[in-house]
Amino acid sequence: DGGITQSPKYLFRKEGQNVTLSCEQNLNHDAMYWYRQDPGQGLRLIYYSQIVNDFQKGDIAEGYSVSREKKESFPLTVTSAQKNPTAFYLCASSTGGVSYEQYFGPGTRLTVT
Amino acid sequence: AQRVTQPEKLLSVFKGAPVELKCNYSYSGSPELFWYVQYSRQRLQLLLRHISRESIKGFTADLNKGETSFHLKKPFAQEEDSAMYYCALKNTGFQKLVFGTGTRLLVSP
Repeated sequence: DGGITQSPKYLFRKEGQNVTLSCEQNLNHDAMYWYRQDPGQGLRLIYYSQIVNDFQKGDIAEGYSVSREKKESFPLTVTSAQKNPTAFYLCASSTGGVSYEQYFGPGTRLTVT
Repeated sequence: AQRVTQPEKLLSVFKGAPVELKCNYSYSGSPELFWYVQYSRQRLQLLLRHISRESIKGFTADLNKGETSFHLKKPFAQEEDSAMYYCALKNTGFQKLVFGTGTRLLVSP
């Protein structure tokens, strides 16, 4: 393991508060991703970034925001506008070309009460 | 729209039995298909990709464009194969994956 780190492993917040999840990679990958993993729904893409200072919405971007100021870092903010924020969040980065592969972090479990 | 369908949420087999995890996709172009696996308390990781046409841990998967399928197969399941398996599709030229909902494989002794 190693290469992609997510912190913290568990996060608890009160409803109405914004919370930022950290994702760092030292794999020198250009592309990074945030997914939400819910039982029975697989992985759903929240946001992705193909290069520094650029990012695109995924399938379920509402209530989330991201930034990509450094190649190594892609933090995700879960805002109070996200209706159902309690979930397991996975960060990934990827190689490109014919050997395309996404490498995943260990995940952060967010609980909002 | 691109979609990946894994019809089975849970597949339970005995050790030594053959395994087939189903994956169907809808995509109009030339897809790249992958299988990712998540073992208990481990990270999600790539198992195999159709381009490589390789066997990993005894698993194989053949892309069938006529049936739009990419089923994962293993002739003799082992207990250590118990895990969550995700099928994923990538658009040629795009740097993102579409994942299925996953199938949990449980191999009993």
